Amino acid sequence: GQNIDQPTEMTATEGAIVQINCTYQTSGFNGLFWYQQHAGEAPTFLSYNVLDGLEEKGRFSSFLSRSKGYSYLLLKELQMKDSASYLCASMDSNYQLIWGAGTKLIIKP
Amino acid sequence: ETGVTQTPRHLVMGMTNKKSLKCEQHLGHNAMYWYKQSAKKPLELMFVYSLEERVENNSVPSRFSPECPNSSHLFLHLHTLQPEDSALYLCASSQDLEQREAFFGQGTRLTVV
Repeated sequence: GQNIDQPTEMTATEGAIVQINCTYQTSGFNGLFWYQQHAGEAPTFLSYNVLDGLEEKGRFSSFLSRSKGYSYLLLKELQMKDSASYLCASMDSNYQLIWGAGTKLIIKP
Repeated sequence: ETGVTQTPRHLVMGMTNKKSLKCEQHLGHNAMYWYKQSAKKPLELMFVYSLEERVENNSVPSRFSPECPNSSHLFLHLHTLQPEDSALYLCASSQDLEQREAFFGQGTRLTVV
């Protein structure tokens, strides 16, 4: 079956670094996505990885290991506005996104 | 503002009512999607349209009926819903079915009483 696992909730301190992990099992693979969703708002695209390695985009970085079926989202210099849910999704061979349940990130001062 | 607009933002309906959710995208995208988002559960893909043709229907009950009159508009018609259908319904669009980046609307919070 197809499955995405990510932690339900994480807490971190303003100014610190946090890593949100995601493991996936899908029928075929066409890339791994991370989306951010603030409470009551639309999910917004953060990153897309299809090759192994680290992609950096400002304070956010995303890593992929295809052989391990593993990805993480790294958030640096955390700000209060980073409090949100972070959704991991893997695209299968039919270009269908398989979503995780999301990780709720709580930032404390 | 993501370029995808959904109305209404909130909807309360009885189990015998008929209502419709509307989605409009101003991005020139060819693919549009309906998702259901329930608390602490993964996004569930309901319907996919590409160039106004339905390409995916993930075993969704017939009480949900989609309509795509043109590439910019997508509707979800609702009738005789159940309380367990209460959820956030999200519309999304992408340039094509390979959806390297999908743009979501803010959703309709549906409560069935």
